[in-house]
Amino acid sequence: EPEVTQTPSHQVTQMGQEVILRCVPISNHLYFYWYRQILGQKVEFLVSFYNNEISEKSEIFDDQFSVERPDGSNFTLKIRSTKLEDSAMYFCASSEGRGVDYEQYFGPGTRLTVT
Amino acid sequence: QKEVEQNSGPLSVPEGAIASLNCTYSDRGSQSFFWYRQYSGKSPELIMSIYSNGDKEDGRFTAQLNKASQYVSLLIRDSQPSDSATYLCAVNRPYSSASKIIFGSGTRLSIRP
Repeated sequence: EPEVTQTPSHQVTQMGQEVILRCVPISNHLYFYWYRQILGQKVEFLVSFYNNEISEKSEIFDDQFSVERPDGSNFTLKIRSTKLEDSAMYFCASSEGRGVDYEQYFGPGTRLTVT
Repeated sequence: QKEVEQNSGPLSVPEGAIASLNCTYSDRGSQSFFWYRQYSGKSPELIMSIYSNGDKEDGRFTAQLNKASQYVSLLIRDSQPSDSATYLCAVNRPYSSASKIIFGSGTRLSIRP
């Protein structure tokens, strides 16, 4: 069964450093998403992406964040200058379409630890 | 008012019994509803989606939707120890161009042998 994959599974970085989290969405999916979950809190939407541009972003997704689809398979989330409060699980998700009846499937996540 | 509300639990259910999980949402225009299961330290796993009023059954799981009451529930029949997890209710945000979904905080379910 096709699945979303993410690398690395765990990333440790120092405050102020740049990190890139990588995702490979399900191959026939066209819509891509990043969510995050701070330990003990709920899953929060960050950004959605379609046709090589951002469709929607949340208040969390400020100028320090960017997304890119550098090739036909990868989808990346970059944090330019990490802060302690960026420590969280970051989940990539994808869906086949964008209508309300298209389900989103999540990858295994990247645990980001900022020290 | 929270957009998606769930009782945080823990909900303890004996093995073999029916587990009933509930969720309410605030935006009456919400159009699609999902239940995800999340094991500790893992990612959300989609187990049910429901779009119209009534019941939807899939194996041991039944999702129920009542849009008039803004209420969604999940029933798990013949509960197994492997069902012990946090169950996340998620709602499609209406008017969103790319189907952003809003999650509740989750209900922790514990199946006791």
